[in-house]
Parts: sequence; C-alpha cells; structure tokens
Amino acid sequence: DAGITQSPRHKVTETGTPVTLRCHQTENHRYMYWYRQDPGHGLRLIHYSYGVKDTDKGEVSDGYSVSRSKTEDFLLTLESATSSQTSVYFCAISDRTGGSEQYFGPGTRLTVT
Amino acid sequence: TQLLEQSPQFLSIQEGENLTVYCNSSSVFSSLQWYRQEPGEGPVLLVTVVTGGEVKKLKRLTFQFGDARKDSSLHITAAQPGDTGLYLCAGQNSGGSNYKLTFGKGTLLTVNP
Repeated sequence: DAGITQSPRHKVTETGTPVTLRCHQTENHRYMYWYRQDPGHGLRLIHYSYGVKDTDKGEVSDGYSVSRSKTEDFLLTLESATSSQTSVYFCAISDRTGGSEQYFGPGTRLTVT
Repeated sequence: TQLLEQSPQFLSIQEGENLTVYCNSSSVFSSLQWYRQEPGEGPVLLVTVVTGGEVKKLKRLTFQFGDARKDSSLHITAAQPGDTGLYLCAGQNSGGSNYKLTFGKGTLLTVNP
C-alpha cells in the first residue's frame, strides 16, 4: 500500500473557525490531490498540486486553499468553515511516470456545526 | 467538462449471482480505472484499462474498455459478501491536464449471504 496518512481522521468544528487538514506521503510522488466525497456527488476534486509550491484549482475550490512547501506534505485549509463543508475529505497521490493511477489516504471526516 | 455516468447507482444481490456495472461517457479517455471503496476507507485501485477493446481479469472480476474508449464495464461472477462496497470508475483526461481523473458517482454493491 502507498504510504499516505491524513490527519486528523475525525474533526468537529464550529462555523466560522479555520481548519487545516494534513496529507503526508512517503512515496515521493509528484502529484497530490484533495477530494471531498458527499452522497450523491461522488468524489469531487478541490485542489491539486503538480510539484512543490505548484498548485491549481479543481472543480469545487471555493472556500478552500492549499499549500505544498515540501514534496511529502499537502495541506488543505478551510479559512472559515461552513456547514456546507461538512464532508469526508480524501487525499490522493500519483506518480505520472507510473501512469494516472491515484492512491488514496484513509480520509478525514469533518463535521462543521 | 468530461462526465462519467455509472449505472446502476445501487445494486443488492444474493451470494453466487453475477452482475455487471457500467460506466459511460460521451468523451474519450486515455485510460480508465476502477476502484473499490469500503466503508470508512479510501478508494483502492483495482485495475487500469488503456487500449480500446481491452479486457482484463482479476479473479472473478472482468473489466472491459469500450472500443471507442468512452465506456467501460465491470462484471463480477459468483459474487461473494466480500465484494460488497462502492465501485468507482475514473477516466484519465485525454487532453491537457492528463494527470487529473474524472470520477463517476459510484455503484454501491451489497452482496447478501
């Protein structure tokens, strides 16, 4: 299994508070992704990174920001959490030279009350 | 925007039955992947198909990529309770951002003993 960890695994926070989720990989893969998974919507891409300090928006990026200061870590920040951001968040990694396959972390369940 | 439609959305069958899950699009994909996700975990890659018309077998699972690379199917023979899970198809974009995947919404399979 690809070495991907996410922290925290569960979090409950209040509306309006900032939240940062962390994804850490030990595979030295170039590409990293943040998805959210909601019933009826499947997996939707929030942001992705194609290298250190190189990031771009996905299809549901509003209200989220990311940072990647080193290869192994990709942070997702909710600047001011809203109830609509209650979801399960997955990080994934990919090595383009190995194809397009993505390997997923275990997920973070975030509840915004 | 490239979309992938999966059908059926839900499927409940008895142990020993056969089933087929479909993944369809009007767009062409460079490759297509199938993932399985169990409750509380991240998706796990099952297979990647690349060539139009390609068929791959993984024990009791048979995956097929359509000749035009716009659709795919997953057939399970003699389903077992351990096959229960959410099955996701994902297509690699054929154009510019070919390190991103487009995911279907998934088929939730329940195999009853």
